[in-house]
Amino acid sequence: DVVMTQSPLSLPVTLGQPASISCRSSQSLVYSDGNTYLNWFQQRPGQSPRRLIYKVSNRDSGVPDRFSGSGSGTDFTLKISRVEAEDVGVYYCMQDIHWPRTFGQGTKLEVK
Amino acid sequence: EVQLVESGGGLVQPGGSLRLSCAASGFTFSSYSMNWVRQAPGKGLEWVSYISSSSSTIYYADSVKGRFTISRDNAKNLLYLQMNSLRAEDTAVYYCVHGYSLDSWGQGSLVTVSS
Repeated sequence: DVVMTQSPLSLPVTLGQPASISCRSSQSLVYSDGNTYLNWFQQRPGQSPRRLIYKVSNRDSGVPDRFSGSGSGTDFTLKISRVEAEDVGVYYCMQDIHWPRTFGQGTKLEVK
Repeated sequence: EVQLVESGGGLVQPGGSLRLSCAASGFTFSSYSMNWVRQAPGKGLEWVSYISSSSSTIYYADSVKGRFTISRDNAKNLLYLQMNSLRAEDTAVYYCVHGYSLDSWGQGSLVTVSS
């Protein structure tokens, strides 16, 4: 199975400051069509997960542009340019090129 | 707008069975693949199973293979997860999730396996 490794697992951030989460996969996530299949999800406290970003860098509808995704091959990053209170929660990366689908362990973002 | 409503969760004894249902609306159900993803209390997300739009392709996580069965009724816009031989480690919130890339999630249904 593809192992997804996130860091850090805990991320205390001051409101208005940037935040960055790393995700590394044990295998390449590049498909034969040239696309890279890496998604990011946000789970706010008490809520269901919500997809934020698909194929590395494409924001889902309604996702603020302070969220951005980047990376290639096996190394990926989710960045929040300026953290707001509503961004508190757990963030997961997930690969959707190999079966079984696998998630990272989750990164808990909290406000300092 | 995609809406997914899970039902059928509850308390079951180890070794027992339970069937989860997911009522889908807001999209053409028969055109989209679907997934089940679970989350044990206080833990991360674990993908459980996938079914293609026509049910021709199905995948399972190793942890549930041989015990769980995913199915769908495109005429009724329903997704199912039949869970047999349940274990304590199957205790989790089970989410019904739309699409190949898990783009929309239901609110979840709690399954508790305990004596």
